[in-house]
Amino acid sequence: KAGVTQTPRYLIKTRGQQVTLSCSPISGHRSVSWYQQTPGQGLQFLFEYFSETQRNKGNFPGRFSGRQFSNSRSEMNVSTLELGDSALYLCASSLNSGSGNTIYFGEGSWLTVV
Amino acid sequence: QQQVKQSPQSLIVQKGGISIINCAYENTAFDYFPWYQQFPGKGPALLIAIRPDVSEKKEGRFTISFNKSAKQFSLHIMDSQPGDSATYFCAASGGVTGGGNKLTFGTGTQLKVEL
Repeated sequence: KAGVTQTPRYLIKTRGQQVTLSCSPISGHRSVSWYQQTPGQGLQFLFEYFSETQRNKGNFPGRFSGRQFSNSRSEMNVSTLELGDSALYLCASSLNSGSGNTIYFGEGSWLTVV
Repeated sequence: QQQVKQSPQSLIVQKGGISIINCAYENTAFDYFPWYQQFPGKGPALLIAIRPDVSEKKEGRFTISFNKSAKQFSLHIMDSQPGDSATYFCAASGGVTGGGNKLTFGTGTQLKVEL
């Protein structure tokens, strides 16, 4: 069974640009969530999608957005990139939404903003 | 507001020794406490998890001890091996308005197991 797949794995963007990251969850998983990992702030929750609806949102500005498709695939978008957006962006999936559902992480997309 | 505090930040243990990482939480609505292991260049991988109705859970060399009244939980790695060298994160979930699956992570512990 394939794990959580994220593309692209590495990318470099310029300040002010926008970026879209993609995530394919484990087959059968309907919940997809996104996390940002930085050395300074650690692992922080961005948002969760379940059945194409955003269930929760973390404390990030509106420049961070996401969506989920009918096949449970998800994308996140960051507009007007800032240097501080440089981070590892992790996608995670679980069978269902709700506390206690095991969350599996992908290997992440490394974003560098220059 | 940091809702899950983790210590120590780094830990060096001799091969065969016991590694202990501690976490404390504030939100009493949390009802699920997983531990994740992360190797460089990889995403976090679930190691073991516990619910607050259980005081201890053991899986192989890994044990979670949970103290609900103190709002603390810890990871014990018995017979630590060099292959255990990684960053360990405690996390908690639960109590989210409207449900949902959101993990609040500790700040991580870099474990190094020396020969």
